[in-house]
Amino acid sequence: DGGITQSPKYLFRKEGQNVTLSCEQNLNHDAMYWYRQDPGQGLRLIYYSQIVNDFQKGDIAEGYSVSREKKESFPLTVTSAQKNPTAFYLCASTRAPNEKLFFGSGTQLSVL
Amino acid sequence: SQELEQSPQSLIVQEGKNLTINCTSSKTLYGLYWYKQKYGEGLIFLMMLQKGGEEKSHEKITAKLDEKKQQSSLHITASQPSHAGIYLCGADTGGGADGLTFGKGTHLIIQP
Repeated sequence: DGGITQSPKYLFRKEGQNVTLSCEQNLNHDAMYWYRQDPGQGLRLIYYSQIVNDFQKGDIAEGYSVSREKKESFPLTVTSAQKNPTAFYLCASTRAPNEKLFFGSGTQLSVL
Repeated sequence: SQELEQSPQSLIVQEGKNLTINCTSSKTLYGLYWYKQKYGEGLIFLMMLQKGGEEKSHEKITAKLDEKKQQSSLHITASQPSHAGIYLCGADTGGGADGLTFGKGTHLIIQP
C-alpha cells in the first residue's frame, strides 16, 4: 500500500543535541512538507520541497533544517538552536498544487 | 498571510445529535479542505471544496462552501462515537505550492 511513513513515533532530545525525524513516501509525489503542531496552535509550516534538491522555508523555519536528496525522502533535523522543540511533527506530500495533502502518522518530540 | 478561524474550539455532543463546525477565512478561498485527526495520529482527508456554493457529503458528514468562498461548514448528522476527534480545515492560499494554511482545529467529544 502506498503512503507516508514517519519514524520514530516518539523521540527525546537532550539539551544541545540535534535530532533527525524521518519521512519517507512511496506515492511518487513531488511535493513534501513538514508541519509542527502544538496544542491550541493548529499546524504551522516549517519547510517544504517541490522537487528534489530544492526546498523553501515555511513560516517557522528557524532552528530546523531539511534535505531532499531523493524524491521519496524528506528528513527534518531539529537543531540545538530550536529552543522549544517539544511538539508533534507531521510530514505530508501531494502530487501537485491544488490537490489534497497526504499525511504521515506523526512524530512526538520531547525534551529530556 | 491567510488566516482561518475555526469555531467552536471544542464541542461536546450527545450521541445521536447533529452538530456543525465552522471555518472562516479572511480572504477568498481557492480550495478548502477538511481533515479529521485522532489524538496523536496523522490527519485523514475528508473532503475538498473549490466552487462557491459547493456541497459534498460522505456518509453522515456534509461540507459546504459559501457563495463568497470565505466560509465553510462541516455538518455531522446523528453523531456516533467514531466521529470523535479533532477536525481541521485547511486552505489553499492561492497557488498551493507552499501547502495549506490550517485552522486551529475543533475538538469533538461524543457523549454516550
